Amino acid sequence: DGGITQSPKYLFRKEGQNVTLSCEQNLNHDAMYWYRQDPGQGLRLIYYSQIVNDFQKGDIAEGYSVSREKKESFPLTVTSAQKNPTAFYLCASSIYPGGTGEQFFGPGTRLTVL
Amino acid sequence: QKEVEQNSGPLSVPEGAIASLNCTYSDRGSQSFFWYRQYSGKSPELIMFIYSNGDKEDGRFTAQLNKASQYVSLLIRDSQPSDSATYLCAVSDRENTGTASKLTFGTGTRLQVTL
Repeated sequence: DGGITQSPKYLFRKEGQNVTLSCEQNLNHDAMYWYRQDPGQGLRLIYYSQIVNDFQKGDIAEGYSVSREKKESFPLTVTSAQKNPTAFYLCASSIYPGGTGEQFFGPGTRLTVL
Repeated sequence: QKEVEQNSGPLSVPEGAIASLNCTYSDRGSQSFFWYRQYSGKSPELIMFIYSNGDKEDGRFTAQLNKASQYVSLLIRDSQPSDSATYLCAVSDRENTGTASKLTFGTGTRLQVTL
């Protein structure tokens, strides 16, 4: 089955620690995205990547970093510089180039800072 | 700042009725429009997309787009308790296939279908 996997499902972090969230897809999509969702708010774009070895900042990139060494993988690191990291993190992918623009989401990782 | 506005709800409709969910957007250059359903604690699931003015039907769902009014809506016919979820409207400004699609999301409308 094709799809997007994210791990872990739940993650607890102490203040001052960096943590890395995993995102893998086998849809053969070139574009991948990271969003953050806070209660009662919409999704906000953190980073996106159109192709391997290339990525762009989204609207709220401060305190986050990404890499795109493989087409299938787009891990997100939440650094200690992120002031309020507790949130639901969603990875998505879409067809690029071409396609109709829709994005497909993984199951998400819920990060809690203790 | 591009904005996508939705009434947060909850919108309560009885089982079997039509649920009407609305969304307005600020960027007149927006090209593509998406509706996602999100159950509590889960990730968003794409249910409809529309590009052209008018209606697009898929089963019990109908998406309606009016670019002149910068308005997009989702109708759910014969609403079922399993339709109870938050519905997110998303808008893309991608004008061509030369860039990856970037979506701006609304905060969602919570729908409650009552027995």
